[in-house]
Parts: sequence; structure tokens; C-alpha cells
Amino acid sequence: EVQLVESGGGLVQPGGSLRLSCSASGISVNSNYMGWVRQTPGRGLEWVSLIYSGGATYYADSVKGRFTISRDKSKNTLFLEMDSLRVEDTAMYYCTTFYWSSGAFETWGRGTLITVTS
Amino acid sequence: DIQMTQSPSSLSASLGDRVTITCRAGQNIYRSLNWYQQKPGKAPKFLIYDASNLQIGVPSRFSGSGSGTTFTLTINSLEPEDSATYYCQQSYGMPYTFGQGTKVEI
Repeated sequence: EVQLVESGGGLVQPGGSLRLSCSASGISVNSNYMGWVRQTPGRGLEWVSLIYSGGATYYADSVKGRFTISRDKSKNTLFLEMDSLRVEDTAMYYCTTFYWSSGAFETWGRGTLITVTS
Repeated sequence: DIQMTQSPSSLSASLGDRVTITCRAGQNIYRSLNWYQQKPGKAPKFLIYDASNLQIGVPSRFSGSGSGTTFTLTINSLEPEDSATYYCQQSYGMPYTFGQGTKVEI
């Protein structure tokens, strides 16, 4: 059974940084397509970033240049480095597996909450 | 970006009812459409891919149809555990975008 567990969320001031982690079991983060999706009451579900098994990375325009997705094979962990955080980045962030052939977010973690506020 | 619009935003139905949710895409996305179910306080759950294919383990009372710009999610014979918010998502191209959700109350 695939399980994803996010951590690293919390309260941060605008302009600050955070690193989210997603510990995976039942799959290899290095051999699969993985991603991050966020959710707010106001904007709903929003795709944030993807990393393909080959290492290619993709970002939503709203986070491009500020967020970096990466993975650690030895720890079987996915990361999202978030810099220059804005109030509008406040959201629940979910780690997901990505079913490449259908473009679907297949397995989801429970999420970790980021609140950007002064 | 491809805009996804769901209707209705919410609905109320009775146990055993048949429920239909519509998702419209802002352009032709062929059959690149996925559906998710989210219960309060939980992460979304992947239900249907490529418009009509049920993910493993999803009850057969759920079905999806459509192509092009108009898609539907149907729940036949509504069960208590189907009370949730349902989202569509286009996978035709990045950025992948979701509908705003349809809340189903029983």
C-alpha cells in the first residue's frame, strides 16, 4: 500500500521560506512521477509542481521561480522548497503520486498546512 | 489555462437517488478528464480517469462519461458514504486545473 506523509508546514511571515517533506512508503519517489497540489477555501484545488521519474520538473506560473521540487532517493522523500512566500501561498499542501498516462493525481497524503501571515 | 466549470455547486439528494454532476472545459480536452471525491477534513480521493475509467476499488455505482468539453459524473443509487465534494480535473495540458467542486449532501 502506498502511503505519503507530509511534514514541515507551519506559520511563516511574508517573504519567508519553508521546506515541505513528503515521506513515501510502498513506492520509490525516485522511480515515480510525484507532485504537490494545494487547496484553499477560496481558490479550491490548485496544481503546484511535478517531478517526473526522469527528473524533469514543472511548476505552476504562480510559484515558478520561488518553489523548487526535489527528491532524495536514500530517504525516499519528496521535497518542496518554498521561498519568497506570499500571503496567497497560504493553503493545505498535499503530496501526491502522479499517474502519468492519465495525468491524474493518484495517491494523496493527508496534507500539511502553510499559513503565511505577518 | 484551461478553465473547468462544474455544475451545480451543491445538491441535496436522498439515499438511493441517481445524482449527476456536470463538468465543462474551456476548450476541447478530448477525454483527458479525471474525477475526485473529498470528504471533510480528508485529502481528495482519485475516482475516475480518462473520463470514464474507474480507479481500482471505486464502487461500480460511480460512472463517468463525456468527451470534448462536457463531462458527467453519475452516482447511481446514492449511499450515505457518498456525501462529499466532487472535483473534476483536466489532464490535457499543464497547468493541470480543477473544477471548483460540487458538494453532494444526503
